Amino acid sequence: AQSVTQLDSHVSVSEGTPVLLRCNYSSSYSPSLFWYVQHPNKGLQLLLKYTSAATLVKGINGFEAEFKKSETSFHLTKPSAHMSDAAEYFCVVSSGGYNKLIFGAGTRLAVHP
Amino acid sequence: NAGVTQTPKFRVLKTGQSMTLLCAQDMNHEYMYWYRQDPGMGLRLIHYSVGEGTTAKGEVPDGYNVSRLKKQNFLLGLESAAPSQTSVYFCASSYSLNPGSTQYFGPGTRLLVL
Repeated sequence: AQSVTQLDSHVSVSEGTPVLLRCNYSSSYSPSLFWYVQHPNKGLQLLLKYTSAATLVKGINGFEAEFKKSETSFHLTKPSAHMSDAAEYFCVVSSGGYNKLIFGAGTRLAVHP
Repeated sequence: NAGVTQTPKFRVLKTGQSMTLLCAQDMNHEYMYWYRQDPGMGLRLIHYSVGEGTTAKGEVPDGYNVSRLKKQNFLLGLESAAPSQTSVYFCASSYSLNPGSTQYFGPGTRLLVL
C-alpha cells in the first residue's frame, strides 16, 4: 500500500533563506509523486510532479524536488524564501488504479521578514 | 477558461438538512473527484467518476451520494447532514486515470453543520 509521511507539521524560515520541506513515501512500485501548495482559503495548486523521468524536478516559483529511491524521499526545496511562499504544502503519491491520490498531512510554512 | 469551479463557497446547515454541492469543469476532463479536508489531515477521497453516468466510492463515502449526469458537472449530495461532515470539500478533475496525471482542484466549499 502507498503512504506519505511529511516529517514536519510546521516550518518557519526567514525571508531570503532556504526552504526544505521533507517528505518520505512508501510504495510497492515506482510511484508518481506530487507537491501541491494551498494558500489560505484557496484551492490546491500543483507545484511540481515526478513521473519516473528526471529525478530532479523543477516546479513553479523556484521550487524543486529530488526523487531519491534509496531513501524513499521526495523533499521540496527552494533556495530563497519569499513572503508569498507562506502556505500549506502537501506531498502526494498517486496509487495507480483510478489515479487515487494519497495526501500527506501537510506542512505549514511560515516566512518571517 | 475557468478551470474547476465549485458552488457554493460557504454554507451552514443544521443537522438533518440536505444539500448539494456543485462542481463544474471546462477542460473536457473525463475524470472527476470529490475530496474532503479536515484539520491536520490531507485530503481524503469521497467519490470519483470515470465518465458521464458512472461513479464509484472512494476512501470515505458514507453519508454522501454523487451524480455525473453531464460530463462537465459532478454533484455531491448530503441527504441528512451530520456535524461530522463539517469540512472543506474540494472537487478535482483530470484528463487521464494514469498515475502521474495531474488533478486540477477547485477553490473548495466550506461546510459547517450545526
